[in-house]
Amino acid sequence: ETGVTQTPRHLVMGMTNKKSLKCEQHLGHNAMYWYKQSAKKPLELMFVYNFKEQTENNSVPSRFSPECPNSSHLFLHLHTLQPEDSALYLCASSQVSEEFSGYTFGSGTRLTVV
Amino acid sequence: QQPVQSPQAVILREGEDAVINCSSSKALYSVHWYRQKHGEAPVFLMILLKGGEQKGHEKISASFNEKKQQSSLYLTASQLSYSGTYFCGTGVGNTDKLIFGTGTRLQVFP
Repeated sequence: ETGVTQTPRHLVMGMTNKKSLKCEQHLGHNAMYWYKQSAKKPLELMFVYNFKEQTENNSVPSRFSPECPNSSHLFLHLHTLQPEDSALYLCASSQVSEEFSGYTFGSGTRLTVV
Repeated sequence: QQPVQSPQAVILREGEDAVINCSSSKALYSVHWYRQKHGEAPVFLMILLKGGEQKGHEKISASFNEKKQQSSLYLTASQLSYSGTYFCGTGVGNTDKLIFGTGTRLQVFP
C-alpha cells in the first residue's frame, strides 16, 4: 500500500448508529488531518494532529470524535449523526518541518446518514 | 478567511487555455493548488510562498502577485486529462492548516 488509504469508501448509517472511519498513511509523515467536503461547499478543516497530538478542533460537534493512536493511523468515530453530516470525509497527511510542502489526500469516505 | 475562486466553472475544447483565480482581502502566507477528479483524492499541484513568484511548467503554471493577495493558475493547451475541480488552499500563517476556496470545475471536451 502506498500513499493515504481510507476505509470504508462508502458508508450508510442510521442516526442512532456508531461507526468509525479509518485512515492510514504509508508516507512517514508526522501530521494528519480530517476534512469534510459537502456539495457546493469548500473543504472544511475538522481536526489536525501533529506528532499524534491534536492541535486543532475547528468547532466540530462532539458527535465526531477523532483518535490518533500513532503517526500512521487516524480514526474518526461517529455517533448520533444528523442527515446534514452526509458528505465526503477526506483524510490527509503531511510532513511538517521548517517548510510546509502540502498535503497528500486519501480518496475519502462517502458518508450517507439516513 | 476563505479565499474566493473564480470562475466557478470552465468549459474548454482540447488545446484551449484557461486561467483560474484565487483571491483574498488579506495578504496570504502561502497558496496551494490541488486538482480533484470525480471520485478521486485531491492531488497536490504546487505551492507558492513569495510575492511575485511564478512556478510550474509550460502547460500548468501559477503565479502569486506582489501583494500576496491573489494567485492565478494557468492551464495552457488543455488536455482531456485536465478535467476536474481545482482548489486553491491558503496557508494560515506559517502553519500546516489550509483554508480552501469553493473550487473551479474544469471540463475539457475533444
